[in-house]
Amino acid sequence: NAGVTQTPKFRILKIGQSMTLQCTQDMNHNYMYWYRQDPGMGLKLIYYSVGAGITDKGEVPNGYNVSRSTTEDFPLRLELAAPSQTSVYFCASSILDRDRTEAFFGQGTRLTVV
Amino acid sequence: GIQVEQSPPDLILQEGANSTLRCNFSDSVNNLQWFHQNPWGQLINLFYIPSGTKQNGRLSATTVATERYSLLYISSSQTTDSGVYFCAVELAGGGADGLTFGKGTHLIIQP
Repeated sequence: NAGVTQTPKFRILKIGQSMTLQCTQDMNHNYMYWYRQDPGMGLKLIYYSVGAGITDKGEVPNGYNVSRSTTEDFPLRLELAAPSQTSVYFCASSILDRDRTEAFFGQGTRLTVV
Repeated sequence: GIQVEQSPPDLILQEGANSTLRCNFSDSVNNLQWFHQNPWGQLINLFYIPSGTKQNGRLSATTVATERYSLLYISSSQTTDSGVYFCAVELAGGGADGLTFGKGTHLIIQP
């Protein structure tokens, strides 16, 4: 199993551009998440999904959109990129099994908006 | 929301030393995980430990859920242990709607 795979690993965007961060998992997990990590801080939840067709906002959703058309994929869309969105983005997945919800993370996407 | 506090924020040790990292949380949890973020930014799962004690080689962790804290022990530190250690929790009764992270403990192991 590859686990959680994110692409791209690095990206530089100009202010006002848009892009999609890709995330796919092959563990058949029903839960998927997007987090961002700013320098010197822990991760903060942007959006999450409890299954295909269902998404919900996390702590910091403004400026982002998500979709979940399949169990495996959970892309994160940035519209009108702003310097405040410069961050490292992590995708994660987990499965709820008898209250066990251990999360597994991708390797991250480092995004710079200039 | 739930609060997660980690201590100490920074720790510098010599190779071979032992260390204890602490995580306090403000509410009942059904998930607590410890991660190591290496210098390349990768998040590595260390322990899934909402309660009890686990050991994996030189690392061990204990969570006392009734007192709302968890401890991560690192013995015989190596330079490869350097990085940031995060504690993250998920509120009990909330299904699996995402982890809340502490700010981390930045560990430097000097040769």
